[in-house]
Amino acid sequence: DAKTTQPTSMDCAEGRAANLPCNHSTISGNEYVYWYRQIHSQGPQYIIHGLKNNETNEMASLIITEDRKSSTLILPHATLRDTAVYYCIVRETGANNLFFGTGTRLTVIP
Amino acid sequence: GAVVSQHPSWVICKSGTSVKIECRSLDFQATTMFWYRQFPKQSLMLMATSNEGSKATYEQGVEKDKFLINHASLTLSTLTVTSAHPEDSSFYICSAKSPRGGNSPLHFGNGTRLTVT
Repeated sequence: DAKTTQPTSMDCAEGRAANLPCNHSTISGNEYVYWYRQIHSQGPQYIIHGLKNNETNEMASLIITEDRKSSTLILPHATLRDTAVYYCIVRETGANNLFFGTGTRLTVIP
Repeated sequence: GAVVSQHPSWVICKSGTSVKIECRSLDFQATTMFWYRQFPKQSLMLMATSNEGSKATYEQGVEKDKFLINHASLTLSTLTVTSAHPEDSSFYICSAKSPRGGNSPLHFGNGTRLTVT
């Protein structure tokens, strides 16, 4: 069963912030939210993950709602190289593997 | 950061032959590696979990005799597609768990595109 729901596709203008939503309304207390992206014909690339606090790294920011039922990945200044499929995944604490949903295909437009 | 390397990046083989794909963790030891398969315009599907020194664990519907997994060392797992057929043509991707364990992320190889003619 899918644990996350994401829009199928989104467009973003180059240089603008890309905000990618994810719904995980059935998330449990010990599940983290992970974001990966996959550029065409490459393996998935880790972006960021978090439990309940907002997180930021050199690639992106992750905003998790207080009830943890949804989150948003923010790419602050999208470039053409950010065009990819973005996957939001919930993963139980200590679990090994990841189960991928269908993701959001982000297209950055010049 | 942790790097996972896959080889080859692409391979073409004839129907009925076998193909071996290697997955290496370059700068860390990985007791557990994972093999995924991705068909065009679809998401990644977990095939099996590869455990160093023990038998792999296969997901439902994945034939263990067709997709042979060997994890003989802490830095190498191999996937052999035996008696390949055109329907096995796909993008195969491996991943390894970071040595930090816990909730640290999985690191993925760049995939192997298999085409069976």
